[in-house]
Amino acid sequence: KQEVTQIPAALSVPEGENLVLNCSFTDSAIYNLQWFRQDPGKGLTSLLLIQSSQREQTSGRLNASLDKSSGRSTLYIAASQPGDSATYLCAVKDYKLSFGAGTTVTVRA
Amino acid sequence: DAGVTQSPTHLIKTRGQQVTLRCSPKSGHDTVSWYQQALGQGPQFIFQYYEEEERQRGNFPDRFSGHQFPNYSSELNVNALLLGDSALYLCASSWTDRAETDTQYFGPGTRLTVL
Repeated sequence: KQEVTQIPAALSVPEGENLVLNCSFTDSAIYNLQWFRQDPGKGLTSLLLIQSSQREQTSGRLNASLDKSSGRSTLYIAASQPGDSATYLCAVKDYKLSFGAGTTVTVRA
Repeated sequence: DAGVTQSPTHLIKTRGQQVTLRCSPKSGHDTVSWYQQALGQGPQFIFQYYEEEERQRGNFPDRFSGHQFPNYSSELNVNALLLGDSALYLCASSWTDRAETDTQYFGPGTRLTVL
C-alpha cells in the first residue's frame, strides 16, 4: 500500500524567502508525481507534474524534483509572496492518486 | 471550455440519511474518480468509473456507490450516513488513454456535513 508523507506539516516564512517542501513515498512503481495547491475549502489546482522517467519540472517560480529510487520529491518556491499562502499537496499516481496530508504555508507580508 | 463541475456546493444531512453528489467531467475526458477529503487530511480515493463501470475501488464500505452515465458524468451515492462521512468530496476527471502523462483535473468539491 502506497504511503505518502509530507514534511513539514506547516511552515511560516517572511515574504521573499524561498520555500522548500518535502514529500516521500514508499512504492516507486508510479506513473508520475504531482504537486497541487489547495486554498481553504476549495478544490485542487495542479501545479507541476513530473513523469516517472523525469528528474524535475519547472514552472515560473516553482521547481519540483523527483528521485524515484529513494522515493522523494521536493517542491521549491522561489521568492515567496503572500499569495503563495495555501496548502500544498503531493500525490503519486498508479491507477489512482495517493496523497500526502499536505504542508500548510503562510507567507507573512 | 468548462472544467470539472460539481453539485451541490454544500449539503447538510442527518445521520442515517442518504445523499447523492454529482459531477460533470472536463470536456473530452472519459474517466471520473471520486475522493473524500476529511478536514486536515489529504484526499482519499473512493472509486473510479470508466465506460459506465466501476474500474477501481479504494478502501470504502459498500455504503459508498456510484454511477457513470453515457455522457461521462457521474454520481456518488452514500447510504446510511455517519458523522464520520462529513468531508469535502472531490471529483476528478481524466482521459484514460493518457494515464501516465496526464494530470487529473479536480472540481471545486461538495462540502457534506452530517449532523
